[in-house]
Amino acid sequence: GESVGLHLPTLSVQEGDNSIINCAYSNSASDYFIWYKQESGKGPQFIIDIRSNMDKRQGQRVTVLLNKTVKHLSLQIAATQPGDSAVYFCAVNTGGFKTIFGAGTRLFVKA
Amino acid sequence: DAGITQSPRHKVTETGTPVTLRCHQTENHRYMYWYRQDPGHGLRLIHYSYGVKDTDKGEVSDGYSVSRSKTEDFLLTLESATSSQTSVYFCAISEQGLSGLAFFGQGTRLTVV
Repeated sequence: GESVGLHLPTLSVQEGDNSIINCAYSNSASDYFIWYKQESGKGPQFIIDIRSNMDKRQGQRVTVLLNKTVKHLSLQIAATQPGDSAVYFCAVNTGGFKTIFGAGTRLFVKA
Repeated sequence: DAGITQSPRHKVTETGTPVTLRCHQTENHRYMYWYRQDPGHGLRLIHYSYGVKDTDKGEVSDGYSVSRSKTEDFLLTLESATSSQTSVYFCAISEQGLSGLAFFGQGTRLTVV
C-alpha cells in the first residue's frame, strides 16, 4: 500500500546549525505536500507546503525541496533555534481525501 | 490554533462505555476531520465531513461514528470504548478538502481503562 516514511526518528543539531529532515513517499501521483511541526501537548502546526509543479519553496528560515524523480521531500531549517525543538512530519496528498502522514522526526536542539 | 476548540482535553473512561468528543470551529470551514495519533504511527483519519450532515469514513473508522448538525460542530462518538481506542484525537478543518491545507486543534487525550 501507499506509505510515507521519514528517514530518522530523531535528529540532534547544535543551535545555529542548519537542520534537514527528510521524508519519502511511495505514490508517484502525490500532488500536494505539507510539513507540520508538533510541540509537546499541542496539535500539528503548519510550517510550509509545496505542490508537485514546484521543486523548491522558501519560507521564513525554512525551505522545502521536492524531488519527484526519487519521491523524496525534505525540510531545511536555517540557523536552528531552541524553539525549533519539536516533532516534524510530512503529509502527502494524492488527491481527494487521501492524505498520508509520516510518523515524524523529533528534532533536538542543543544549546 | 485557527479557531478550533476540542473538548474535553483529557478523558479517562471505562471499557464498554460510550464517549463523545467535540470539535468546535469559528472559521466557517467546510471540511472537518477527526484523526487519531498513536506512537510510531502518523496521523490516521477516522472520519471526515464535507458539509452539514455529510460525512464519510476514513481509514480507521471501525468503532467510531460522527455527526455534524451545524457547520461549526463535529462530534466523534466511540460507541463502546475499548482499550485499543486509547489515543490522542485531533480535530482538523480545511477550506479545500485534504488537497489543501488543514489546521489542527489541540487534541484530546483519551484513556480507556
